[in-house]
Amino acid sequence: GENVEQHPSTLSVQEGDSAVIKCTYSDSASNYFPWYKQELGKRPQLIIDIRSNVGEKKDQRIAVTLNKTAKHFSLHITETQPEDSAVYFCAASTLNQAGTALIFGKGTTLSVSS
Amino acid sequence: GAGVSQSPSNKVTEKGKDVELRCDPISGHTALYWYRQSLGQGLEFLIYFQGNSAPDKSGLPSDRFSAERTGGSVSTLTIQRTQQEDSAVYLCASSLGGGARNEQFFGPGTRLTVL
Repeated sequence: GENVEQHPSTLSVQEGDSAVIKCTYSDSASNYFPWYKQELGKRPQLIIDIRSNVGEKKDQRIAVTLNKTAKHFSLHITETQPEDSAVYFCAASTLNQAGTALIFGKGTTLSVSS
Repeated sequence: GAGVSQSPSNKVTEKGKDVELRCDPISGHTALYWYRQSLGQGLEFLIYFQGNSAPDKSGLPSDRFSAERTGGSVSTLTIQRTQQEDSAVYLCASSLGGGARNEQFFGPGTRLTVL
């Protein structure tokens, strides 16, 4: 089955710096890669996703890149702000007996200090 | 409209007791997922329901865990003979259709504490 590794587990940056979180996956059949943000005490929410037919996607200060050959994808946050502080989870789709589900990484705790 | 809801929000139980956790998905969502989030850990997949298909139970950690989804809507996660290592936040999510490409909307979670 699918296995998703996420690095780093914690990341501290100064406000205005960039932050990069990287994930690798094992199932070459995976074709959908979302990123979720979970603020302290709140539920995870989708912030951006990418499908296997594109290599990069941007949404304002957030971008995601995908390298299917190497089976890794990354989240890039530019001009970080204190409100970006949260736990970020990457995920990869996997096909199982019921259909297609998501396997999540263990998360990256991002701290942005002002 | 209403999002995914879960009840109870907090549950404290004694070791060895059974617990039931409830999830009400967004109306019309055919897919429903249960995850477990332990302190400092990621989102551990437990079980996935899609329409009337047999659920994918591959993530359930032991036979003490089971889940049902009645009428294609409400789901109940049952943990029998709870152990201290079962303490975690149990999150439910739903999505509009089958297939992982549909955004999963998460509920607020149930924090389970086993004493």
